[in-house]
Amino acid sequence: DAKTTQPNSMESNEEEPVHLPCNHSTISGTDYIHWYRQLPSQGPEYVIHGLTSNVNNRMASLAIAEDRKSSTLILHRATLRDAAVYYCILIGNDMRFGAGTRLTVKP
Amino acid sequence: DTGVSQNPRHKITKRGQNVTFRCDPISEHNRLYWYRQTLGQGPEFLTYFQNEAQLEKSRLLSDRFSAERPKGSFSTLEIQRTEQGDSAMYLCASSLADGPMPQHFGDGTRLSIL
Repeated sequence: DAKTTQPNSMESNEEEPVHLPCNHSTISGTDYIHWYRQLPSQGPEYVIHGLTSNVNNRMASLAIAEDRKSSTLILHRATLRDAAVYYCILIGNDMRFGAGTRLTVKP
Repeated sequence: DTGVSQNPRHKITKRGQNVTFRCDPISEHNRLYWYRQTLGQGPEFLTYFQNEAQLEKSRLLSDRFSAERPKGSFSTLEIQRTEQGDSAMYLCASSLADGPMPQHFGDGTRLSIL
């Protein structure tokens, strides 16, 4: 089963960029890389997804390594509202969330 | 707002009782997913439907767990003979079926077993 590995926690200062890494060395050719985030007492919220090329949307950017064995979620200017647990998951034949990265944003 | 709706938000029951949770997906979404989430962990996939067909159920935790989506709209997740270890947040999500579309999650039903 394809799995992802993320740091347990990261800290950032408000209004600074944040780079959240994810390793997925066993990714298969048909797996898409999805990122979600979760605030306390809420369900996960979709952030962004991609297959091979880097992706941008209003929330974030996703940088995918050329060999697809890792990816990075980029929040260009962190705000206090971005404090959450961020999950990187592979969507294909399976859907497995890891424990995610808890992002703390300091004012 | 026509997001994913889950009811009830909280359920407290005694060990051994049966419980049923309901999920109303976004109306145009034909895929519906159920997850379980325990404290400090990410969501754990349980099962999913495309319309009324249950396409994956091997990940249901035991034969005490079952899910239905009889008319391809709302879905129910039932746990029979609840155990202490069933205490968790149960999340529902929905998506369009074409390709790896984003899943939209509800805010879950928190189950507490006394």
